[in-house]
Amino acid sequence: KAGVTQTPRYLIKTRGQQVTLSCSPISGHRSVSWYQQTPGQGLQFLFEYFSETQRNKGNFPGRFSGRQFSNSRSEMNVSTLELGDSALYLCASSSPGILDTGELFFGEGSRLTVL
Amino acid sequence: DQQVKQNSPSLSVQEGRISILNCDYTNSMFDYFLWYKKYPAEGPTFLISISSIKDKNEDGRFTVFLNKSAKHLSLHIVPSQPGDSAVYFCAASAGSTGGFKTIFGAGTRLFVKA
Repeated sequence: KAGVTQTPRYLIKTRGQQVTLSCSPISGHRSVSWYQQTPGQGLQFLFEYFSETQRNKGNFPGRFSGRQFSNSRSEMNVSTLELGDSALYLCASSSPGILDTGELFFGEGSRLTVL
Repeated sequence: DQQVKQNSPSLSVQEGRISILNCDYTNSMFDYFLWYKKYPAEGPTFLISISSIKDKNEDGRFTVFLNKSAKHLSLHIVPSQPGDSAVYFCAASAGSTGGFKTIFGAGTRLFVKA
């Protein structure tokens, strides 16, 4: 079974630009969550999608947005990039069910550098 | 508002000894607590979890203890091996119906010295 796939793995942008990151979940997983990882801050929750609907959202500004498609693939977009947006962006999928424990399956991440 | 806290940014342990990683939480609504392990340039991988109705869960060298009254959990690794050197994240999740989100701590970097 293929794991969670994130593209691109690395990218460099300049301030003011926008970026779109893509995530393909594990086949059959309908929930996709996005996290931002920065040194010392751990994994900060961005949002979670299930069946094309955003169910939960973290405390990030409106510049951060996402969506999920009918095949469960998800994208997140960051507009008007700032230096502080430089981070590793991690996507995770899960298959919520009766025995759901909140276990997430992570991709390798997309490392964004903003210059 | 940090709902999940890992107050030790790093921990160094001798190979063969016990590693104890600690985590505190503030939200009593969490149903499950999980530990993830992360190597550089890789995404976090699930290690072990515990339900809020239990106080201990064991899987091989890894044991997680939950003290609900103190809102504290810990991960014990015995014996520690050099391959255990990684960043360990504590996480907590609440519910699965109507949506849920998993909250992570800041992580503890474990160094196991040979």
